[in-house]
Amino acid sequence: EAGVTQFPSHSVIEKGQTVTLRCDPISGHDNLYWYRRVMGKEIKFLLHFVKESKQDESGMPNNRFLAERTGGTYSTLKVQPAELEDSGVYFCASSQGRQGTFYEQYFGPGTRLTVT
Amino acid sequence: DAKTTQPNSMESNEEEPVHLPCNHSTISGTDYIHWYRQLPSQGPEYVIHGLTSNVNNRMASLAIAEDRKSSTLILHRATLRDAAVYYCILGTGNQFYFGTGTSLTVIP
Repeated sequence: EAGVTQFPSHSVIEKGQTVTLRCDPISGHDNLYWYRRVMGKEIKFLLHFVKESKQDESGMPNNRFLAERTGGTYSTLKVQPAELEDSGVYFCASSQGRQGTFYEQYFGPGTRLTVT
Repeated sequence: DAKTTQPNSMESNEEEPVHLPCNHSTISGTDYIHWYRQLPSQGPEYVIHGLTSNVNNRMASLAIAEDRKSSTLILHRATLRDAAVYYCILGTGNQFYFGTGTSLTVIP
């Protein structure tokens, strides 16, 4: 069974540009999460999808970030326009079962975003 | 601020037991305690989780204090492949709250 995949693995963009990160969860997993770790900080929750619906987006830092999950399958996270402080590693995770943190989350390898 | 606190780093000799501590003094009654680990260039990987009682699985054991304000991840016999960053996480509602992690070095 394929794990969670993320694309690209690394992206370098200039301040003010737009970047779109993609996550493909494990097939059949209704729950999809986005997290990020910025330099020197702990990994932080961004948002949670249940199928195509945003269940919790309280961790999204500001309106420059837009997440979508079309048809309840893959998800994209767009940053527009990117700022220097957006640099970090963005992780996607998926889980089966109902909402809540009881279930094991399967993480992708992350996308390293560098904004120059 | 992180909801869990962990030592930045620990060392263990190969084939010795390792006890990784975590404090989570603000834990609420419905929060789960999770442990994940991360190898270089990979995402976090599930290790174990629990609510109130101690838990055992093939990878590790989780000892939870009676007041649930702290927990300890126990690796019974450390191997070189166990060298990783170990995260103590509180699961609250739909969110995981990560600590800063403990970098475990295993000495051959």
